[in-house]
Order: sequence, then structure tokens, then C-alpha cells
Amino acid sequence: DIQMTQSPSTLSASVGDRVTITCRASHSISTWLAWYQQKPGKAPKLLIYKASSLESGVPSRFSGSGSGTEFTLTISSLQPDDFATYYCQQYNNYCTFGQGTKLEIK
Amino acid sequence: EVQLVESGGNLVQPGGSLRLSCAASGFTVSTNYMSWVRQAPGKGLEWVSIIYTGGTTYYADSVKGRFTISRDNSKNTLYLQMNRLRGDDTAVYYCAKSLSGWTFDYWGQGTLVTVSS
Repeated sequence: DIQMTQSPSTLSASVGDRVTITCRASHSISTWLAWYQQKPGKAPKLLIYKASSLESGVPSRFSGSGSGTEFTLTISSLQPDDFATYYCQQYNNYCTFGQGTKLEIK
Repeated sequence: EVQLVESGGNLVQPGGSLRLSCAASGFTVSTNYMSWVRQAPGKGLEWVSIIYTGGTTYYADSVKGRFTISRDNSKNTLYLQMNRLRGDDTAVYYCAKSLSGWTFDYWGQGTLVTVSS
């Protein structure tokens, strides 16, 4: 099984900040990595797939990078709507999600 | 407009069975990979099962042999038959459409399954 580890688990930031969330895979997954945003009581929303491809309709302040075992999600300038929990997902071998990173208002 | 609407969640006793449904509109279930993903209360996301366009199915180890994914093309509906339910199956169950492969671009609103005596 491929394990996905996100860091940090919780991140406090302010509107306008640049933030980065890291996701590490226990084995190489090439670029088979997606990122999702989830707000309380809502379904997840796909942001990024294939490590760096932006899903249609997602603001360009979101970007993804990485390959192999280390990946990042960057939000270039935080907006009020961005405070949520973020999950990475590998799909190189079946599917595994990271434990989540909660992005809080500082 | 793509829509997914789950139903069938309920309170069930350990060892019991339940069938979840996911009615799709705005696209054809049979021409897309479709999955079930669950989320235990206050926890993260866990992939449960996927069905390919050709009918091939895969399951997480935690549900293999107990859960069965299927679809009814005439009703454009996805199903999850859950047998021998356990307390750790308690979760909100989401159905999801694949963008491509195993990434999920549309999700339903979820249906809550509670396994408790």
C-alpha cells in the first residue's frame, strides 16, 4: 500500500498570505497526484490533478508541483474562501488520500 | 449540469446490510469510471470502490468481500451493496464521477451510514 503523509496537519494564515502544503508518498507515484479542497459539511472539490494540472474553473492562485514522492500545493494569495481542509490523493496504485491539512484563519 | 444524488443511508445494526444508490444526471454513468469514497465522522477521506466502464471493479481491502459496487445503465444509477457491516463502516458515503482514471471531478452530497446496536 502507498501511504500519503501531509504536512502540516494544521496551518494558520492570513488573507493575502502565500501558503504551501506538502504531501509525501511512501513510494514513487510519478505525477499521479491530485489535490482536493473540502469545506465543513460539503463534498470535496477537485483542484489539481496529474500533480500540476489545474481543474477547470479553479482559480489560478492554486498551483501544484512535484513528482516521485514529494509534492506541494501552493496558494499564492489566500482569499477568505480558501479556508478549508485540503487533501492530497495518489492514484498510481489504487487510491489513497492524505490525512488532510486544515487551513485556518490566523 | 452534472448531478449526483446519493440515498439509502441509515442506522443499521452490526452484521446488517444496506444498499446505497447514487442517481446521476447530466452525464452517462456507464461511460465513466464511478467510485464510492467514504468519510468517518471527523476523519479524512477513504476510497472504497470503483467500477470501470467495462465493468471491472476494485475494492479497498477494508471492504473487499463485504461490499459490491454495481450500476443500472437503464436508470443511470450507481449502487453500493454493503453486507456484514461493522462499526468502522460508519461514515458519510459519497459517490464520485471520474475526470479521468482515478481522479474525481464531481461528487454527490453524501449519505450517512451509521452502524450501531
